[in-house]
Amino acid sequence: QKEVEQDPGPLSVPEGAIVSLNCTYSNSAFQYFMWYRQYSRKGPELLMYTYSSGNKEDGRFTAQVDKSSKYISLFIRDSQPSDSATYLCAMSPNDYKLSFGAGTTVTVRA
Amino acid sequence: DAMVIQNPRYQVTQFGKPVTLSCSQTLNHNVMYWYQQKSSQAPKLLFHYYDKDFNNEADTPDNFQSRRPNTSFCFLDIRSPGLGDAAMYLCATAGGPKNIQYFGAGTRLSVL
Repeated sequence: QKEVEQDPGPLSVPEGAIVSLNCTYSNSAFQYFMWYRQYSRKGPELLMYTYSSGNKEDGRFTAQVDKSSKYISLFIRDSQPSDSATYLCAMSPNDYKLSFGAGTTVTVRA
Repeated sequence: DAMVIQNPRYQVTQFGKPVTLSCSQTLNHNVMYWYQQKSSQAPKLLFHYYDKDFNNEADTPDNFQSRRPNTSFCFLDIRSPGLGDAAMYLCATAGGPKNIQYFGAGTRLSVL
């Protein structure tokens, strides 16, 4: 069993739709949870950073962490074609060594 | 302005011919990482440095070596590349209160 499981998609949605992404994990020691966005042939860039359980909102993006279920989510509201990318979840017990999901590829159709 | 710079962006090498990838940073971060990412897969940590302290992942092949001559630079050496080593190689740095990792744009390695 992989430490972090992420549905690879691909996911295709029309512009303006809500995109819902999620990851599950097995290591109960994880405390730091992140979402990275990776455009084609580029390096990942940090989108959201959350410590422990709860919700965090930043503009059109909302990250949720449910440690009791070992489940994290990312929601993108009012999705735009520029949101088309691969989204990687990442998590860590100690904030300096990350375990990544395989990424979900999202296409937002204009 | 690019803060983590990887060179070259694309590298083609021959089977068995040594290759070196480079990474530099302007963030003055203590920690630097090298990841290997194959298509549709999660980035896989190869090793990381905390300052000059080198930390190798248990499953990183001996074929992969790294050097960090100073805070700003880090190199990945692949001594005898095989076809299975073709991948994107990502460098990242971390520092500051949250130790967020910042990635370079990556070097895509092809092995012929």
